[in-house]
Amino acid sequence: AQSVAQPEDQVNVAEGNPLTVKCTYSVSGNPYLFWYVQYPNRGLQFLLKYITGDNLVKGSYGFEAEFNKSQTSFHLKKPSALVSDSALYFCAVRDFDNYGQNFVFGPGTRLSVLP
Amino acid sequence: DTGVSQDPRHKITKRGQNVTFRCDPISEHNHLYWYRQTLGQGPEFLTYFQNEAQLEKSRLLSDRFSAERPKGSFSTLEIQRTEQGDSAMYLCASSLFLDTKDEKLFFGSGTQLSVL
Repeated sequence: AQSVAQPEDQVNVAEGNPLTVKCTYSVSGNPYLFWYVQYPNRGLQFLLKYITGDNLVKGSYGFEAEFNKSQTSFHLKKPSALVSDSALYFCAVRDFDNYGQNFVFGPGTRLSVLP
Repeated sequence: DTGVSQDPRHKITKRGQNVTFRCDPISEHNHLYWYRQTLGQGPEFLTYFQNEAQLEKSRLLSDRFSAERPKGSFSTLEIQRTEQGDSAMYLCASSLFLDTKDEKLFFGSGTQLSVL
């Protein structure tokens, strides 16, 4: 089965510093990978996706993610963090094996950007 | 607001009661998904529809759970004989599926269920 892991429950970073939220995946075949963000009392919002092509994917709000096939990773990055980036971040993968076209989400990483 | 709408936002019920949640997807979205999310966990797949057809159900979904999407528009998720373990946030998401590579989920704010 396809799965993703997010090894950090919490990431703290100072405003203006670069941030990284880690994700590793386990898939059979080519991975379809995603990042979603969840703000308090809001639904999850799509940030970016990797299907094929360039390993560096750019998304919403200045976020980008780097796909690394040899390390089976898809880390989310931003060059300069904002306090407003504080939220819960979920990595996800399409699971074509078990549930047709279902999305499988990781447990989430809480990002806190400190002023 | 033209996003995904879920009703109610919160539901408190006693163990053994039946509850029903509603999801109104973004207009013209043909795919609709139900997920369950507990504290500290990511969304867990329950079921999904392509138009009015329910195509997939999670093996974790007991027979107390049933979902419908009549006419391929809004969807309802019913839980019969609720148990305390059913307490969770129930999320609905929709998408306009044209190609697997382009599919992007739009989530509602969820229904928080508390079973006493």
